[in-house]
Amino acid sequence: DAGVTQSPTHLIKTRGQQVTLRCSPKSGHDTVSWYQQALGQGPQFIFQYYEEEERQRGNFPDRFSGHQFPNYSSELNVNALLLGDSALYLCASSLLAGGRNTQYFGPGTRLTVL
Amino acid sequence: SQELEQSPQSLIVQEGKNLTINCTSSKTLYGLYWYKQKYGEGLIFLMMLQKGGEEKSHEKITAKLDEKKQQSSLHITASQPSHAGIYLCGADLGNAGGTSYGKLTFGQGTILTVHP
Repeated sequence: DAGVTQSPTHLIKTRGQQVTLRCSPKSGHDTVSWYQQALGQGPQFIFQYYEEEERQRGNFPDRFSGHQFPNYSSELNVNALLLGDSALYLCASSLLAGGRNTQYFGPGTRLTVL
Repeated sequence: SQELEQSPQSLIVQEGKNLTINCTSSKTLYGLYWYKQKYGEGLIFLMMLQKGGEEKSHEKITAKLDEKKQQSSLHITASQPSHAGIYLCGADLGNAGGTSYGKLTFGQGTILTVHP
């Protein structure tokens, strides 16, 4: 049973560039959430996708956008990168109909903005 | 102030010792999740608590939920070097009076070091 996978593992970009991160959910899951984890902090919720639509969103600017595909995989896009966007980006999947909504996390993508 | 406070921020113990990590919410809890993280890696799900008074155990790790105090504790018995890592509590703090369906708010984490 494949768990949550993310790509790429690491990424280095410069200020002002755009980046796309990818996530495949755990088999059987239909919901994908994205989190940003700065060094020494707990993860912060960015947004959640269900049925190819953004279902809820945290306090992140519009530079952060996403997409969910019919196979439930998801992308996170960040435009006009800032130094402060450097962080570990975590994807989590769950089954919305499951009731308890336990989030299973992927290994993360480490983004460094220079 | 943080919506979810973890204590202590770091903990250093000798192998074989017991330890407790606490997580306190300033808002009503609709679910409380415990995760473990190795530095720079993803979060590994440990346990989920939902009902007041609920207690769950997995190997030498026990988690309890005190709904009235809006507080959870994670207890490790006879710690081992393999227990070392960052422990994070994540809470479903609800949305419009009900569950937020997976939007978790996290504490800052507790860094656990276990000396052999």
